[in-house]
Amino acid sequence: SAVISQKPSRDICQRGTSLTIQCQVDSQVTMMFWYRQQPGQSLTLIATANQGSEATYESGFVIDKFPISRPNLTFSTLTVSNMSPEDSSIYHCSVDGGGGAGEKLFFGSGTQLSVL
Amino acid sequence: QKEVEQNSGPLSVPEGAIASLNCTYSDRGSQSFFWYRQYSGKSPELIMSIYSNGDKEDGRFTAQLNKASQYVSLLIRDSQPSDSATYLCAVRGSNYQLIWGAGTKLIIKP
Repeated sequence: SAVISQKPSRDICQRGTSLTIQCQVDSQVTMMFWYRQQPGQSLTLIATANQGSEATYESGFVIDKFPISRPNLTFSTLTVSNMSPEDSSIYHCSVDGGGGAGEKLFFGSGTQLSVL
Repeated sequence: QKEVEQNSGPLSVPEGAIASLNCTYSDRGSQSFFWYRQYSGKSPELIMSIYSNGDKEDGRFTAQLNKASQYVSLLIRDSQPSDSATYLCAVRGSNYQLIWGAGTKLIIKP
């Protein structure tokens, strides 16, 4: 299993500002995944972050809005840019648990974001 | 549009009884199926995976898969108040994307 530290755990932000979420893993992992969970909804994959290459974004998510960094095999950041109230969600960082197919996921503690 | 459907609940079950959670999926080519548990305010944690038709047991948990009918179930025996959580079904579809259901909220009443 992997231990994932995610911060901040929660934040309240003003419209138009940006927030960077950090995710630190206690072991080296190839792929890291960033999810969004809107209130009462399920998980939606934002992007997959591979070390040494640009993140792969899912339909409906763009790099200008959600830039991702992956400087090494244990760390990644997700920035939520130019925030609006619609960005209020829980953002989850996750890593593959060993199956290699991004199925058996371990999650960080999540970042609860509220945008006013 | 690949979909995974779950009854949102809440599903209320007396302590000690069997809790039965169901999930249906639309992609007939799906091969991998997962149950995650999410406590309120926490992140999901994997509790079961199943790949073949039939039952898979792990302690008090049993996952059941029926690919012909396109449903997967999770049974929790001897339910405890600590089992109260939202249970998320996730399915790996034929396009290798992991699709998540919206979850079923389970309440175990002492």
